[in-house]
This record gives sequence, structure tokens and C-alpha cells, in this order.
Amino acid sequence: AQKVTQAQTEISVVEKEDVTLDCVYETRDTTYYLFWYKQPPSGELVFLIRRNSFDEQNEISGRYSWNFQKSTSSFNFTITASQVVDSAVYFCALSEADYGGSQGNLIFGKGTKLSVKP
Amino acid sequence: DSGVTQTPKHLITATGQRVTLRCSPRSGDLSVYWYQQSLDQGLQFLIQYYNGEERAKGNILERFSAQQFPDLHSELNLSSLELGDSALYFCASSVDASGSHRVDEQFFGPGTRLTVL
Repeated sequence: AQKVTQAQTEISVVEKEDVTLDCVYETRDTTYYLFWYKQPPSGELVFLIRRNSFDEQNEISGRYSWNFQKSTSSFNFTITASQVVDSAVYFCALSEADYGGSQGNLIFGKGTKLSVKP
Repeated sequence: DSGVTQTPKHLITATGQRVTLRCSPRSGDLSVYWYQQSLDQGLQFLIQYYNGEERAKGNILERFSAQQFPDLHSELNLSSLELGDSALYFCASSVDASGSHRVDEQFFGPGTRLTVL
């Protein structure tokens, strides 16, 4: 069965610290996609990244980086030199793509609430 | 701004009532998804439409229904409302969730906060 686990419920750091948010997923599909979304206090869900199961290259975008490891079914997200504006709930999500019936819908983890203090 | 619009932003109603939530996808997006976010259940997929047709169903109650119109906007109808239906309802859209194995990123609207009293 498909599942996304974000074991860290809440993390608190001081500005400029690096922080890693963990995401572990379960799926039987060989083709799948992984996503990270940010939900700031204002409530909207902001897309951060999409990665497919055949692309294990790590990605860096400014202060954000993602580490995808199929061997451990993990897709971790690191924020370098955190800032107060990074305070939000971060969701990891999975979408399975082997079969057409459930294709596209996102299975979300419970989210990790990140608080960055000045 | 994701380009996805949802109305209304807030909705307060009573148990037993029926409400309609509206969503307009980003220009060019054919797929619309509805999600429910509540404190106890987290973010849950409800239903997906692609170019006017239902494509996938998640944990959607029988009291809930949805449709996608020819202009691609979508409505989520919630009836016989219960206290437990209070939640944030998101609509999302993506370019194409067609028969290929590709899954595009979904862009979310600002949500409709439903409060059932």
C-alpha cells in the first residue's frame, strides 16, 4: 500500500542553521513521483519540487536541496542557512503512475512544522 | 499566486445544510483535483476530473459530489453537512494527467475554509 511518513512532527531551529526534513515513502509501483509542498501560516500550498522515480540525481535550488535515495525509499529536504520566512509546514507527497486509475492524485505525509527563530 | 482560484474563501453553515465550493483551474490545465485538510485526517485526496470526466476517486463521502464543466471549472457539492466536515478544502490543477505515466505538478488554490456549526 502507498504511504508517506514524515516522522518529524515539529522542528525548531535558530536562523542560519541548516535543517533537514525527512520523508520516507512506500509504494509497489516502479514509476512514481515525489513532491514537496510548503504551507506557510497564510494557508496556501506552494509547490517546491517534483522528482520521478527514475531520476535519482540530487537537486539544489538556492538554499533548498533534495536528496532522493531509492535504496532507502527516502526523499529528504534540506534548507541551508534557514531564515524566519522558511517557517511553515512542509509536506512530502507521493503519486503513483504505473496504472491509470489512480494516476495523478497525491498521497501526503502528515507534514513537518518548521519554526525558524531569529 | 498559483493561478488557481477558489470561492468562497470562508463558509460558515449549519449541520444538515448543503454548500457548493467553486474552483477555476490555471489556464490550460485540464485536470482538477479536490483535497480536504483537517486536523485529524491531514491532507486527503477526494476526487479528480480530467477534461470534464471523473478520473479517480479517493476518500470522498457519498454525501459529497463534484463535477467539471465544459469551461473546465469545477464544483464540489457537500450535503447533509456534519460537524466533522469542517475543514479546509483545496482545489488543485495540473496540465495533463492523461493516459501516459507522467504526473505533472499540481498547483493549489488558496482553499475554502468550511465551518459547520
